[in-house]
Amino acid sequence: KNEVEQSPQNLTAQEGEFITINCSYSVGISALHWLQQHPGGGIVSLFMLSSGKKKHGRLIATINIQEKHSSLHITASHPRDSAVYICAVPTQGGSEKLVFGKGTKLTVNP
Amino acid sequence: KAGVTQTPRYLIKTRGQQVTLSCSPISGHRSVSWYQQTPGQGLQFLFEYFSETQRNKGNFPGRFSGRQFSNSRSEMNVSTLELGDSALYLCASSLGGTGGFYEQYFGPGTRLTVT
Repeated sequence: KNEVEQSPQNLTAQEGEFITINCSYSVGISALHWLQQHPGGGIVSLFMLSSGKKKHGRLIATINIQEKHSSLHITASHPRDSAVYICAVPTQGGSEKLVFGKGTKLTVNP
Repeated sequence: KAGVTQTPRYLIKTRGQQVTLSCSPISGHRSVSWYQQTPGQGLQFLFEYFSETQRNKGNFPGRFSGRQFSNSRSEMNVSTLELGDSALYLCASSLGGTGGFYEQYFGPGTRLTVT
């Protein structure tokens, strides 16, 4: 069974700061998902990655398969980035059955 | 392309009743997964359907069941509701296939309150 640890649990930043959220998992995987959840519940898939690095606008996700670790970075943070960020991995190597981290609640103050 | 839709968005039920939630995936997506989110347990996987077959199942009691129709629309049913079933129920669709390598697109969720 894959276990997922996220850190930090809560993060408060000033607008413009560089943000890093970390995710570690226990069992080798085929892909890792980063999700964003805004107040009200809607979830958006930010990244799905299996190696290296992906970039979308001010968001960057990296993964180190050997170390079983992934990071989500936000450059030039903005109050609209305030949300809960969740990482998720399959419970088996190629399964759609995901197990989730507890999430990181990010608050960006103007 | 329309996104994933879920109905109803909000629901209030009484203990002991049953409830059916509906999820319409993105056109062309064959996999539908269901998740339960509570403040205490976070997001938990319920089950996944692919081409009308349950392909994966989470650790939930048999009171939780689901099905998928030939048009990929899916329903989940919870019988004999308990207070602890109060949660946000999310469904997500993807192209599916094998390999767990498909991005999932989430619906807005159904917020179920059991009184």
